[in-house]
Amino acid sequence: QKEVEQDPGPLSVPEGAIVSLNCTYSNSAFQYFMWYRQYSRKGPELLMYTYSSGNKEDGRFTAQVDKSSKYISLFIRDSQPSDSATYLCASFSGGYNKLIFGAGTRLAVHP
Amino acid sequence: DTGVSQDPRHKITKRGQNVTFRCDPISEHNRLYWYRQTLGQGPEFLTYFQNEAQLEKSRLLSDRFSAERPKGSFSTLEIQRTEQGDSAMYLCASSLSQGPNEKLFFGSGTQLSVL
Repeated sequence: QKEVEQDPGPLSVPEGAIVSLNCTYSNSAFQYFMWYRQYSRKGPELLMYTYSSGNKEDGRFTAQVDKSSKYISLFIRDSQPSDSATYLCASFSGGYNKLIFGAGTRLAVHP
Repeated sequence: DTGVSQDPRHKITKRGQNVTFRCDPISEHNRLYWYRQTLGQGPEFLTYFQNEAQLEKSRLLSDRFSAERPKGSFSTLEIQRTEQGDSAMYLCASSLSQGPNEKLFFGSGTQLSVL
């Protein structure tokens, strides 16, 4: 079992839709969670960083962590075609020196 | 541009050849990471440096792979006797070590194709 699991998609939504992207993790030691956005042929770009259970909001993006069920989510409101990318969830393993990634979910927002 | 810089962006090589990639991290960052990403997968950890010391290597990093970070600045990743299975995007990231608040910043990667 991979430590961080993600549905690879692809997920296709119309412009303006609310998007929900999800990850599960297996390691109870994970406490810090990140969402990265990766455009085609580019490196991952840090989007959101969360620690505790609950919600964290940044503009159109909301990250949610539920440690009791080991479930993390990213919500995108009013999705735009420019949001079309692969979204990777990640967490630290082993003393904050190794970021473990999920496989990524490919999102396409069509006009 | 003060981000992480990687060179070359693309490399095509024949099986059995040696290749070397370079990474220039963000200048004040003391940690430097190498990851590998194949199509449809997330980045996989290969190795990381704190300053010039290589502190951890993944089991994915066979004897044909070597990484260096002389003087704690730029880093190189060399693959000897390349194999077709080495074809992937090689990503470099840098960070300022600060425990749980550490944030990794990635370069655009080097896409390696082994023919």
